[in-house]
Amino acid sequence: QKEVEQDPGPLSVPEGAIVSLNCTYSNSAFQYFMWYRQYSRKGPELLMYTYSSGNKEDGRFTAQVDKSSKYISLFIRDSQPSDSATYLCAMSVTGNQFYFGTGTSLTVIP
Amino acid sequence: GAVVSQHPSWVICKSGTSVKIECRSLDFQATTMFWYRQFPKQSLMLMATSNEGSKATYEQGVEKDKFLINHASLTLSTLTVTSAHPEDSSFYICSARPPQLGEQYFGPGTRLTVT
Repeated sequence: QKEVEQDPGPLSVPEGAIVSLNCTYSNSAFQYFMWYRQYSRKGPELLMYTYSSGNKEDGRFTAQVDKSSKYISLFIRDSQPSDSATYLCAMSVTGNQFYFGTGTSLTVIP
Repeated sequence: GAVVSQHPSWVICKSGTSVKIECRSLDFQATTMFWYRQFPKQSLMLMATSNEGSKATYEQGVEKDKFLINHASLTLSTLTVTSAHPEDSSFYICSARPPQLGEQYFGPGTRLTVT
């Protein structure tokens, strides 16, 4: 079983839709949770960072962590064509070793 | 937010030559930096973790004599691909973790093509 599972998609939504991206994990010791956005031929960009459980909101983005279910989510409201990218979840126990999902490819259609 | 730069952004070299890629943390000191490799439409593959002033820790299957990593200062790590071959052609990305924080910040990546 992989440490982190993420549906690769691809996911295609109309502009303005709410997008839900998810990852599940197996290691209950994870306490740092991150979402990255990666455009083609670019390095990943940190979107959201959460420590332990709970929700975090930043503009159109909301990150949720449910440690009891070992499940994290990223919601994108009012999605825009510029949101079209690959989204990677990542998590860590101590910040010294990171485990990544395989990434979900998202296309927002104008 | 924390900024990490990489240089060069792309490089073409001949088979058998060596290439050095630089990774710098611009606005923070990074005791730990990471080097990744990414193939098209695939996720990141960790190559090695480097800690300032000590030897890098390589992942299983990564040749340490081929991929030389030097983390000589708190803001600079270098990856040297020695005796490059066409199969080394890939997208190389570094990242850095600010001290006492749990997240890492990525550089823009370096595209290496070996002819």
